[in-house]
Amino acid sequence: NAGVTQTPKFRVLKTGQSMTLLCAQDMNHEYMYWYRQDPGMGLRLIHYSVGEGTTAKGEVPDGYNVSRLKKQNFLLGLESAAPSQTSVYFCASSYGGEPSGQPQHFGDGTRLSIL
Amino acid sequence: KNEVEQSPQNLTAQEGEFITINCSYSVGISALHWLQQHPGGGIVSLFMLSSGKKKHGRLIATINIQEKHSSLHITASHPRDSAVYICAVKRRGTDKLIFGTGTRLQVFP
Repeated sequence: NAGVTQTPKFRVLKTGQSMTLLCAQDMNHEYMYWYRQDPGMGLRLIHYSVGEGTTAKGEVPDGYNVSRLKKQNFLLGLESAAPSQTSVYFCASSYGGEPSGQPQHFGDGTRLSIL
Repeated sequence: KNEVEQSPQNLTAQEGEFITINCSYSVGISALHWLQQHPGGGIVSLFMLSSGKKKHGRLIATINIQEKHSSLHITASHPRDSAVYICAVKRRGTDKLIFGTGTRLQVFP
C-alpha cells in the first residue's frame, strides 16, 4: 500500500519556467490538499479538493493552479515560477466529510528551488 | 498573533526524560491534530482528538477545549523520538487545518 506518492522529489527551475507536481493516493480518499512549508512558518494550504472534479483556494493560492480530473490524482501547477515559490511542497489526503475531519496522510514532500 | 501557538520552539532532552510539548489556539475548533515530521521530511499523523485524552505507546495527547490548549507528552524519551512535532487545528465549519510552526525535539543518549 503506497499511501500518498509525490513526484518529483526534487526539482530546480529557472524563473519563468513552468512545471507540474503530481500527487497520487491509493486509499480512495475524497479530500486532497497541497501545502507549502517554509522555514519558521507552519504548513500553509495552497489549494485543496473535496472530490473528483472540484478544487478550492487555500491560504496562499496565488501563482498556482490545480486540477483533480481523477479521484486518485491531484496536480499542482506553477505557470511561471518565481524565486518566492522556492519551498518544500507537501500533498496530503483524507477521507474528510465529517465535522471533525479525518487524519491527513502526507506524501514525502517535493523540494523545489527556483533560481 | 498566530492562531496556533506552540511551545517551546526547541527542546533538548536526555534519553529517558518525560517530554511535554504545548499547543494553544485562539479559534473555535472541531478537532486538533498532532503530527510528527522526521529529519528526512516525512510527516506522520500521530493523533486526532476533539476531547479528553488519547494514548499510543509512549505518546499521550490531551486537550482542554475550554482552555483552548493541548499537550503532547512523551514518556521514557528515546533518541528516535527526535523530530519536529506539529500541532494543527481544524477550524469549526471548515475543511482546512491551521498549523503551528512546530517544536523541534532532540533527545540525546
